[in-house]
Amino acid sequence: QVQVQESGPGLVKPSETLSLTCTVSGGSISSHYWSWIRQPPGKGLEWIGYIYYSGGTNYNPSLKSRVTISVDTSKKQFSLKLSSVTAADAAVYFCARGKALAVAGGGWFDPWGQGTLVTVSS
Amino acid sequence: QSVLTQPPSVSGAPGQRVTISCTGSSSNVGAGYDVHWYQQLPGTAPKLLVYGNSNRPSGVPDRFSGSKSGTSASLAITGLQAEDEADYYCQSYDSSLSVYVFGTGTKVTVL
Repeated sequence: QVQVQESGPGLVKPSETLSLTCTVSGGSISSHYWSWIRQPPGKGLEWIGYIYYSGGTNYNPSLKSRVTISVDTSKKQFSLKLSSVTAADAAVYFCARGKALAVAGGGWFDPWGQGTLVTVSS
Repeated sequence: QSVLTQPPSVSGAPGQRVTISCTGSSSNVGAGYDVHWYQQLPGTAPKLLVYGNSNRPSGVPDRFSGSKSGTSASLAITGLQAEDEADYYCQSYDSSLSVYVFGTGTKVTVL
């Protein structure tokens, strides 16, 4: 069964760019949507954006100016870049597969990676 | 951006039934978008519990059931067990905000 796993630096300086990668295993990256979701410590979940395996993207409007999600199908990986980070961007970042995201009724996320904690500090 | 409202906490004794509400609006749940539910055990990632309002993925016990009506949805847990102690989140899509939205989260405590 499909599994996803986040990787990347756990500490980012303010104003710099956060970069994370998610590796897909146990299944194909093709014909699926892949998403990033974050959770500040002790708080709720926030959807960041998704990418279709062919490269189409959709971002949360509140983050759109700072977010880039890309995909490398040959490596079965997709990545998140979030620029100009501040303390408000400190969170556990999860990657997940999106299901039925383009369907009129709206989709869901499954499975999720274990998450990676990103701290923003100089 | 928590436009889906859940009670902060619910509790029940082992074996009891508890329900968690998820209240939205005409731009998300009331607009016909499906509601999905996740269980987040302490220190772990969310796990899909219910999708498409009332469908359970393979492996999820039938003690968990979801429903939706109007601008609200509910998750019911019957035969409450100690291992059900976790945070639960609903999720849908909001057409006004153009985002996938999550509920405020509910902590379930087994007394």
